[in-house]
Order: sequence, then structure tokens, then C-alpha cells
Amino acid sequence: NAGVMQNPRHLVRRRGQEARLRCSPMKGHSHVYWYRQLPEEGLKFMVYLQKENIIDESGMPKERFSAEFPKEGPSILRIQQVVRGDSAAYFCASSPHGDTQYFGPGTRLTVL
Amino acid sequence: KQEVTQIPAALSVPEGENLVLNCSFTDSAIYNLQWFRQDPGKGLTSLLLIQSSQREQTSGRLNASLDKSSGRSTLYIAASQPGDSATYLCAVRAPGRETSGSRLTFGEGTQLTVNP
Repeated sequence: NAGVMQNPRHLVRRRGQEARLRCSPMKGHSHVYWYRQLPEEGLKFMVYLQKENIIDESGMPKERFSAEFPKEGPSILRIQQVVRGDSAAYFCASSPHGDTQYFGPGTRLTVL
Repeated sequence: KQEVTQIPAALSVPEGENLVLNCSFTDSAIYNLQWFRQDPGKGLTSLLLIQSSQREQTSGRLNASLDKSSGRSTLYIAASQPGDSATYLCAVRAPGRETSGSRLTFGEGTQLTVNP
């Protein structure tokens, strides 16, 4: 059973571009969580999704950020019109029943 | 709002020493507490998970304790090795399974260096 996969592992964008981060949960896991780790800071919760539904998005910035977890395919975290402050490591975690979370290796976003 | 604090922020010890990392949280109503290890530029590896009804968990040279009423947890590492060098993160999960029930709230971590 492969672990949680995230791609790309590294992403470079210029200010104003869009960033799309993908997360493939472990097989059989229908719960996905996204966390952000800003430089020199701890991980902060962003959003929690179950297949096709957003359960809790209270940690997501109100503008430019969106997340989805379609019936088929990976979960996508989308950042529109990126700014330098979006540079961070974005981690995805999955769980089978909303309990123990298994983390992916992260996507490191750099905004030039 | 749950807040998690880890002390110390950084720790440097000689190889072979036993050490304790501390984690405190402000809201004692938690579902469980988890300790993770993070290597530079890498993801998180789960080390130990303690349910709210448990007092401690052990895995090899690691022992984690939980005192929910006082809002504290410790991670004890015995006979430290250079390979233990990493950042150790503590995270608590709120109770419940709906809405915010499954989010993890992380501390900022303790950066451990074990010198040969």
C-alpha cells in the first residue's frame, strides 16, 4: 500500500501565476487534510475534505485559495495569483475514517 | 482556541544522553495527542499516538506520556543517537468527528541535534 503521494515535490511560480498542488491519498482513504508550514513556523491546518465535500475550511485564506477532492482522482489545492507570502511547504494527510492521519512528503512552493 | 507550545525550541546533546521534550496545550478537551518527527526538507513521520484515555505509549527507545488534566505531554528519548537529529512536533486532535473534530493543532517543534 503506497503512502500518501504529493506532486510536484517542488514548484516555482512567479507572482500572479496559479499554483496547483496534488495529493493522492492512501488506498481506501476518503478523508484528506491540507496543512501549510510557513518558513520558521509550525504546521497550520487549512482544510479538511471528504470525497466531493468540504468538511472544514476554517483554516483556508478567504481569497485566492480553494480545494477540492473529486469522486475520481487526487485532491487539488489551488492558489490563484500567488504572492511571495504563499511560499511555504504544503502538506497533505489522509485517513480512512477521519482518525489517524498519514502525511505525504509535501510540496515546497517558491514564489519569485 | 487550542494552542500548543513546545519547549525547548532547540536542544543539542551528546550522543548517549537521555532527553525529554515537552509539549503543553491550552484546552484539555482533546481526542488524542501525536508526536511526529520531521527531517529537513522532508515530510512527517508519526512516532507515537496517545489516546485521551491513555497515560503513555512506548516504541523502542521512545516513550510518550500524557497528562490531559494539566495539558502536558513529554517525549522521552533514551540513549540518543546522531540519527535522532530532527525536528520533533507535537500535535493534538480535538474531540468529535464532525467539522473541526479531525484537525490537528501543531506546536512549533523542538529542533534536536545529537552530537557524535
